[in-house]
Amino acid sequence: GAVVSQHPSWVICKSGTSVKIECRSLDFQATTMFWYRQFPKQSLMLMATSNEGSKATYEQGVEKDKFLINHASLTLSTLTVTSAHPEDSSFYICSAQGDQPQHFGDGTRLSIL
Amino acid sequence: SQQGEEDPQALSIQEGENATMNCSYKTSINNLQWYRQNSGRGLVHLILIRSNEREKHSGRLRVTLDTSKKSSSLLITASRAADTASYFCATDAANEKLTFGTGTRLTIIP
Repeated sequence: GAVVSQHPSWVICKSGTSVKIECRSLDFQATTMFWYRQFPKQSLMLMATSNEGSKATYEQGVEKDKFLINHASLTLSTLTVTSAHPEDSSFYICSAQGDQPQHFGDGTRLSIL
Repeated sequence: SQQGEEDPQALSIQEGENATMNCSYKTSINNLQWYRQNSGRGLVHLILIRSNEREKHSGRLRVTLDTSKKSSSLLITASRAADTASYFCATDAANEKLTFGTGTRLTIIP
């Protein structure tokens, strides 16, 4: 089946650091990639939708200057959490879509000290 | 919020028993999907049911959809310890964005 690789799987860093998370579709071309955030024991909340070669569309309440998304190719999207603070600590998950359904990465656990 | 709701929030059953979880949603949909999430991992797609379908099977999984009630159910038969996970329903409308339910945490007791 389709594989989506997300890297890194786990990050611990100091407050004020910027962190980049990569999402790659390994065996299919993803016209659209999605970034989600998940708090412990809660559901996934969509942060933004990115289409290759265009600006990402952010959901209401998500700061686009805080969460920078780049979708430079049909197989790679990146999420950069800029100047991260403890409240940004969370589980971030990407998904990639060519045809239905969306295929998800394994997530990145981000811990800001 | 457009988020759907699932019940129960948590379910513990003995291995070999059947597990049923329900999902309700709020808006018209194109498709409804069920995903499994193991602790600390990403989501694994289980099954997709289209809005014009009423029932779908895949192995030990059976999904029903009632668009008049805006609800769906997922039945896992003959449960196994490996089925322990969180299960989410997700709906999508024309814009392809998924809206996830609140999830059911399923524990299978060996």
